[in-house]
Amino acid sequence: QVQLQESGPGLVKPSETLSLTCTVSDYSITSGYYWDWIRQPPGKGLEWIGSIYQSGSTYYNPSLKSRVTMSVDTSKNQFSLRLSSVTAADTAVYYCARAGATIFGAFDPWGQGTLVTVSS
Amino acid sequence: DIQMTQSPSSLSASVGDRVTITCRASQSISSFLNWYQQKPGKAPELLIYGASNLQSGVPSRFSGSGSGTDFTLTLSSLQPEDFATYYCQQTYSTPRCSFGQGTKLEIK
Repeated sequence: QVQLQESGPGLVKPSETLSLTCTVSDYSITSGYYWDWIRQPPGKGLEWIGSIYQSGSTYYNPSLKSRVTMSVDTSKNQFSLRLSSVTAADTAVYYCARAGATIFGAFDPWGQGTLVTVSS
Repeated sequence: DIQMTQSPSSLSASVGDRVTITCRASQSISSFLNWYQQKPGKAPELLIYGASNLQSGVPSRFSGSGSGTDFTLTLSSLQPEDFATYYCQQTYSTPRCSFGQGTKLEIK
């Protein structure tokens, strides 16, 4: 059963770059599917950040596009998120997920999420 | 961009009640509408995909309907474990997507 696990610093200073990695277990990231990042500020709703395909093709939320970079490392079966010039508004739980073509692009499964706080 | 609007934002109900949550898209999204349940401190879990398809392992008291711009999630008989926040998501523009603002279902 495929599992996803986010990892990275829980605290990032304002103006710096947030970096997170999602490790995929029991499924090869090269076997297809889009791999996504989603975030949720404390007490608020879900915001899609972006998606990456195994080939490295990327698609970003227009509201974050200028600050987001996603990449994939097939040798480690991981994909990553970088968000530059962070502010307190980027404080959120960050989730990674797999988007399934056979389920209308829905996200399943999700990682457990990791809280990233932006503060000096 | 496709905007998703859920209603109501919050809802109080009792165990055994039938509950309906609505999601409206700003343009037609065919059947590319998914529903998630999120409990406090947990990641969202997929309930319904493609507007009406029940994800494996999800109880049959959950059902979804709709197409085009208007969709509903129905819980036929609320159980204690159903009190959570529910989100709709459009994947018509996949791989781009967007979520509704969420509906918090609370115990009356």
